[in-house]
Amino acid sequence: GESVGLHLPTLSVQEGDNSIINCAYSNSASDYFIWYKQESGKGPQFIIDIRSNMDKRQGQRVTVLLNKTVKHLSLQIAATQPGDSAVYFCSEGKTSYDKVIFGPGTSLSVIP
Amino acid sequence: DAGVIQSPRHEVTEMGQEVTLRCKPISGHNSLFWYRQTMMRGLELLIYFNNNVPIDDSGMPEDRFSAKMPNASFSTLKIQPSEPRDSAVYFCASSFGSVSAFFGQGTRLTVV
Repeated sequence: GESVGLHLPTLSVQEGDNSIINCAYSNSASDYFIWYKQESGKGPQFIIDIRSNMDKRQGQRVTVLLNKTVKHLSLQIAATQPGDSAVYFCSEGKTSYDKVIFGPGTSLSVIP
Repeated sequence: DAGVIQSPRHEVTEMGQEVTLRCKPISGHNSLFWYRQTMMRGLELLIYFNNNVPIDDSGMPEDRFSAKMPNASFSTLKIQPSEPRDSAVYFCASSFGSVSAFFGQGTRLTVV
């Protein structure tokens, strides 16, 4: 039979532009959210996290926004660089319980 | 710290054979996770240990899969007998006191 794989959402941006990657999470009881970056051939790498008592958190060139009302998470990357090309996963969990669930991922491609 | 160490990096085996994947978590971490990544299903949590005790194995596909953590510095994921549909990249991750986990480089398993 025909195999069907995950069709990752793909975002292509010009080098130097800002990138916004969006994610919808499923569990309204989740109180901790993490963005991971996965480069080809490597394991996911922690980028930034945010707790549910916050709606924005900034890191180096990255900002995470949380909208609990609509269960939406976004990752903003400023001045996107070729090294930012990767698959980005949002994940949700509860601080009282270490289990983390990953979303399907978004593939970011940076055009030099 | 060398990070989470997985071995082997690549494994090719024949259907029906036993496969054992190994993981050394980051020293001092008290939670360990096994994930499987495929194009079809994305990144799935198989099992999670806390303080060497299995907490949640609801993601283990079937009885052919088993995982152990005999001590704080070592874990194994065993598949017996292996089948072609088990072909995937298997990741081990560890964490301490938070939900954000550090991932190993993964083991790419091919069952022919």
